Amino acid sequence: AQSVTQLGSHVSVSEGALVLLRCNYSSSVPPYLFWYVQYPNQGLQLLLKYTSAATLVKGINGFEAEFKKSETSFHLTKPSAHMSDAAEYFCAVRASGGYQKVTFGTGTKLQVIP
Amino acid sequence: EAGVTQFPSHSVIEKGQTVTLRCDPISGHDNLYWYRRVMGKEIKFLLHFVKESKQDESGMPNNRFLAERTGGTYSTLKVQPAELEDSGVYFCASSHIDREYEQYFGPGTRLTVT
Repeated sequence: AQSVTQLGSHVSVSEGALVLLRCNYSSSVPPYLFWYVQYPNQGLQLLLKYTSAATLVKGINGFEAEFKKSETSFHLTKPSAHMSDAAEYFCAVRASGGYQKVTFGTGTKLQVIP
Repeated sequence: EAGVTQFPSHSVIEKGQTVTLRCDPISGHDNLYWYRRVMGKEIKFLLHFVKESKQDESGMPNNRFLAERTGGTYSTLKVQPAELEDSGVYFCASSHIDREYEQYFGPGTRLTVT
């Protein structure tokens, strides 16, 4: 069994401020973890993924996430928010190995204030 | 390279009617997935095709939903008869057979049942 919890359905940050979107997961086996972003009227786009290599994962658009097994967390960060980062972000988990279903969180809408 | 496309982008139907959603995956992607997001909730897995075969349809809500992927190319998802609770955004995703965890999503079809 696996699940994902995203803390905060809405997060607001000022332009230039740190972005921190929280994700905690549960998985009975070693997980693969993902962050997706959805811009208005578009599909989900893969931001970054963790597949058991380096625990600090860098993605597109300056985002990164760190896999912390002891905390069962995979928080998404970006040092300096841009207006273009305003979107909805989804954390997702699946078990590693072979085909496994992906479980998504409920999403976090990021607002960037000028 | 064209991304995953879905048609229609929006559909409004009355309870009891039939609707068919279409997904065209990225060319060469053998894996095709359907997901659904009910308003404000998490994105939930519906089913997974490998080529024309259903690998996993454990997420299909009930027998009013029928998915097909004839010839292993595009897929359709039919809802018949539609109920109010079927409203939501239906996403399609595809992935290459060798990197099945890297799923590329379409923009979704927003279905409203009145």
